[in-house]
Amino acid sequence: GAGVSQTPSNKVTEKGKYVELRCDPISGHTALYWYRQSLGQGPEFLIYFQGTGAADDSGLPNDRFFAVRPEGSVSTLKIQRTERGDSAVYLCASSLTGGGNSPLHFGNGTRLTVT
Amino acid sequence: AQKITQTQPGMFVQEKEAVTLDCTYDTSDPSYGLFWYKQPSSGEMIFLIYQGSYDQQNATEGRYSLNFQKARKSANLVISASQLGDSAMYFCAMRDTTSGTYKYIFGTGTRLKVLA
Repeated sequence: GAGVSQTPSNKVTEKGKYVELRCDPISGHTALYWYRQSLGQGPEFLIYFQGTGAADDSGLPNDRFFAVRPEGSVSTLKIQRTERGDSAVYLCASSLTGGGNSPLHFGNGTRLTVT
Repeated sequence: AQKITQTQPGMFVQEKEAVTLDCTYDTSDPSYGLFWYKQPSSGEMIFLIYQGSYDQQNATEGRYSLNFQKARKSANLVISASQLGDSAMYFCAMRDTTSGTYKYIFGTGTRLKVLA
């Protein structure tokens, strides 16, 4: 079946602009995660959804970052007033239940470049 | 807080040889799971193998196996009969079960280069 889909694959924006990154998880997966990966680093947790609700948003760096999952499927990560330090690959992942032994299935990521 | 440590930033291995990638972890939770992911240069993260803390045997998936030493808190990935396509970044991860959090935490990764 289809995997996790992220759009766009690349996004270049100017400092101060607003961006939206979209994630379409694997059908039937209730858990959805957003991670950020800088060059040469491991993925850094941002937020976790179980169904429609954000179960853990402790990784969002500040209030410029916000994410929604209104119908429990597609999720959008929103970044306001972008800064050059926001440049990174934003990874979305889903898992069947979010349970302890449920592996994450990742999308190919969105490479965000803030100029 | 729970932590994953990968101490090898880069490794080389000759094609068809076996290689071990190290991972140590720190947790006070008696129930936990450890995951390994592969990230080729194309960028996608691919799930390889899982080991649960209560599993009696070391996990195996094809050419991948886990050398799980619970007392030493290590979960090293062993790749047998290395292939050129195994060249990639490899990340060890575990689910953070600290009260109130549900995130998976990742190590800094090991870059593996398979030599022809």
